[in-house]
Amino acid sequence: DTGVSQNPRHKITKRGQNVTFRCDPISEHNRLYWYRQTLGQGPEFLTYFQNEAQLEKSRLLSDRFSAERPKGSFSTLEIQRTEQGDSAMYLCASSLRLAGSTGELFFGEGSRLTVL
Amino acid sequence: QQQVKQSPQSLIVQKGGISIINCAYENTAFDYFPWYQQFPGKGPALLIAIRPDVSEKKEGRFTISFNKSAKQFSLHIMDSQPGDSATYFCAASRPTNKLIFGTGTLLAVQP
Repeated sequence: DTGVSQNPRHKITKRGQNVTFRCDPISEHNRLYWYRQTLGQGPEFLTYFQNEAQLEKSRLLSDRFSAERPKGSFSTLEIQRTEQGDSAMYLCASSLRLAGSTGELFFGEGSRLTVL
Repeated sequence: QQQVKQSPQSLIVQKGGISIINCAYENTAFDYFPWYQQFPGKGPALLIAIRPDVSEKKEGRFTISFNKSAKQFSLHIMDSQPGDSATYFCAASRPTNKLIFGTGTLLAVQP
């Protein structure tokens, strides 16, 4: 199966530490999205890439958060100086952007972050 | 950033019944309205989607009804089954843009 893969699936860290999540999208997909989901809420948009270009960042994304997609393939999301409020599920999704259309987003199973 | 409002927050339906979940949006530039299904521990998965040029789309037991003038759309699950128990999210997007999700509806189908 060549779905969206996220690692690690779970991360427990102490407040103030840095964490990095990796997302490997479906190989032919040119768009990659990061969302954050807290318990009982819908996914909140964080940022997205088309190939290696970061096209949009949410105002939710503080300067402690940085995302990269260096070669237009996998992506990393780094959170520096973690806070307890960062505890959430971080979801990655990929899609094939077609002209004039929002393609279907395929989600990974997420990386759950717990900040103690 | 709440541009898509979803209700109810939770829903209990008997097996064989009809589940109905509603969403309302504000941005008239939205042109794509999908519904996603999420099981515990899994990422959301696309269930069915509609564009505003049609008022209804049906796929098996799942139907989207769309009311452009009211800026509302709904998901109907006919003959609901225990396996349909999951969280359902409506979403919307502008052309080629990111998806904005509703807050979700936790559906429990009782046998």
